[in-house]
Amino acid sequence: DGGITQSPKYLFRKEGQNVTLSCEQNLNHDAMYWYRQDPGQGLRLIYYSQIVNDFQKGDIAEGYSVSREKKESFPLTVTSAQKNPTAFYLCASRPRDKVNTGELFFGEGSRLTVL
Amino acid sequence: DQQVKQNSPSLSVQEGRISILNCDYTNSMFDYFLWYKKYPAEGPTFLISISSIKDKNEDGRFTVFLNKSAKHLSLHIVPSQPGDSAVYFCAASDRAGNMLTFGGGTRLMVKP
Repeated sequence: DGGITQSPKYLFRKEGQNVTLSCEQNLNHDAMYWYRQDPGQGLRLIYYSQIVNDFQKGDIAEGYSVSREKKESFPLTVTSAQKNPTAFYLCASRPRDKVNTGELFFGEGSRLTVL
Repeated sequence: DQQVKQNSPSLSVQEGRISILNCDYTNSMFDYFLWYKKYPAEGPTFLISISSIKDKNEDGRFTVFLNKSAKHLSLHIVPSQPGDSAVYFCAASDRAGNMLTFGGGTRLMVKP
């Protein structure tokens, strides 16, 4: 079955620790995205990548880093520099035939809680 | 500065009635508008979209209306069903289609 897999689904972290969220897709999509959702708020773009070995900052990139070494994988690292990391993180990808519409396919999300 | 706004955080509707969810935007460069549905602890799923060259798009019980002059769109669900209870996000993309800008969401509750 094709899809987007995010792991772990739930993650707890102590303050000052870096943590990496995994996102893998087997849909052969070129573009991948990371969004963050806070309670009662919409989705805000952290980073996106349109092609392997290239990525761009979104609206709230500070305190986060990404890599895109393979087409299938777009991991997100939440660093200790992120002031308020507790949130629900969503990974998405976009098929080539949806370039004009912007339609994205989302994973199930990862909930990060900083203790 | 929020470019896409959903001013109603929640909406409660009786089963069988019409649900109307509203969305306003400020960026005239937006070319496509989409609605996503989201259940708790899950990723959003695509519901329906509309191009800026159209004013209406219908798919079964779901219809999206676009008023470009008012920079306003709405999602109509009729008849509403309890399974429609979820958070609905309005989103917009520019002509390049590189990214989606989302509104804050509206929680719809359909009462049996």
